[in-house]
Amino acid sequence: SSELTQDPTVSVALGQTVRITCQGDSLRMYFASWYQQKPGQAPILVIYPKNNRPSGIPDRFSASGSGNTASLTITGAQAEDEADYYCNSRDSSGNLGIFGGGTKLTVL
Amino acid sequence: QVQLVQSGAEVKKPGASVKISCKASGYIFSAYYLHWVRQAPGQGLEWMGWINPHSGDTNYAQKFQGRVSLTRDMSISTVYMDLTRLRFDDTAVYYCARDDGNNWYYDSWGQGTLVTVSS
Repeated sequence: SSELTQDPTVSVALGQTVRITCQGDSLRMYFASWYQQKPGQAPILVIYPKNNRPSGIPDRFSASGSGNTASLTITGAQAEDEADYYCNSRDSSGNLGIFGGGTKLTVL
Repeated sequence: QVQLVQSGAEVKKPGASVKISCKASGYIFSAYYLHWVRQAPGQGLEWMGWINPHSGDTNYAQKFQGRVSLTRDMSISTVYMDLTRLRFDDTAVYYCARDDGNNWYYDSWGQGTLVTVSS
């Protein structure tokens, strides 16, 4: 399969924990990376394989994976975490990229 | 520091072509793949293809096969994305993004280039 599926919208209360998931057959073979995008801005990398954070990304962001599902967890969500989140990986051939449809995270 | 600087916004008519540049600095240009990703207004990210600046090898999403071409100029550390036979639904922000070629993640992105296709 060459698709990654994400829930379109997720909400979380301020300070609570939220998990954003990404499903696809290629995730059985390849790790996912995760990107945060705020309105009018380019995406930024928040998690890269395997559950690594670039410098400057808070440690409340973490990732995991099992089977055909990758997950991004934000532990203690902050108002500034409100954004669109995208997963990305390779397709089953390993030669092409694919993005999930994105999840709009609302922090209540 | 790593920087990817893209060329400016473009307005094109349907059927025309557009060529966007992505100039890299702050790292060894040949050591990282460059991918192109686009985002239509209000929509998600869509992967288009990659180029290996070292070899010139490319790979494209099936959706864009025959319409997109990625090239590079090693002398000025710049990659170009050429999209032909533009349609209204090619209106989007186009991004270049860096990848080390092994682990498939994009640790640096260009600022984006808006391409508007309008008659």
